Amino acid sequence: EAQVTQNPRYLITVTGKKLTVTCSQNMNHEYMSWYRQDPGLGLRQIYYSMNVEVTDKGDVPEGYKVSRKEKRNFPLILESPSPNQTSLYFCASCTPSSYNEQFFGPGTRLTVL
Amino acid sequence: GEDVEQSLFLSVREGDSSVINCTYTDSSSTYLYWYKQEPGAGLQLLTYIFSNMDMKQDQRLTVLLNKKDKHLSLRIADTQTGDSAIYFCAESPDTGTASKLTFGTGTRLQVTL
Repeated sequence: EAQVTQNPRYLITVTGKKLTVTCSQNMNHEYMSWYRQDPGLGLRQIYYSMNVEVTDKGDVPEGYKVSRKEKRNFPLILESPSPNQTSLYFCASCTPSSYNEQFFGPGTRLTVL
Repeated sequence: GEDVEQSLFLSVREGDSSVINCTYTDSSSTYLYWYKQEPGAGLQLLTYIFSNMDMKQDQRLTVLLNKKDKHLSLRIADTQTGDSAIYFCAESPDTGTASKLTFGTGTRLQVTL
């Protein structure tokens, strides 16, 4: 089944404790992105990657890191999480096509205390 | 930067039509999308429209685009309880930047019996 998977789905952590949210897709997509969803703000792009070893900042990159060592994986790293990073995070992947449909993972709900 | 705006909430009775509206500011938008987010799930592409089109119909869905006013709408005919979800409008500048979607705040559609 074609899908984007994220782990963990739920995470409660404390300020300053490094964490990684994994994202993996099995569709051989070139493009991958991370978004955060906050009430009243919609989805905002954190980072995106156009291919292996090619990443770039989205609209809200502060406090986050990413890497793209393999085509299928695009982990999101929070080196020192803070409470304002409490949010719902989505990974998405896409391949260039006539209309560029993005496929989303199920989301990771992160709470930073 | 780009901005996409939507009203936050819409309530309709089952069987009625729903109209969800969206305005955007980026005049270079090439594709405009409607994504649906069901409770506890990621986003799924519902439909899209290319910027040189005025209207697109797909079964119960009708998308209208007024490029002059930068206004996009999604009409759902014969709304069902299964249509209850959050609907996001999104825009993309061109096919070369498939990862650069700008999303609206989302409209929560509530369908009542």
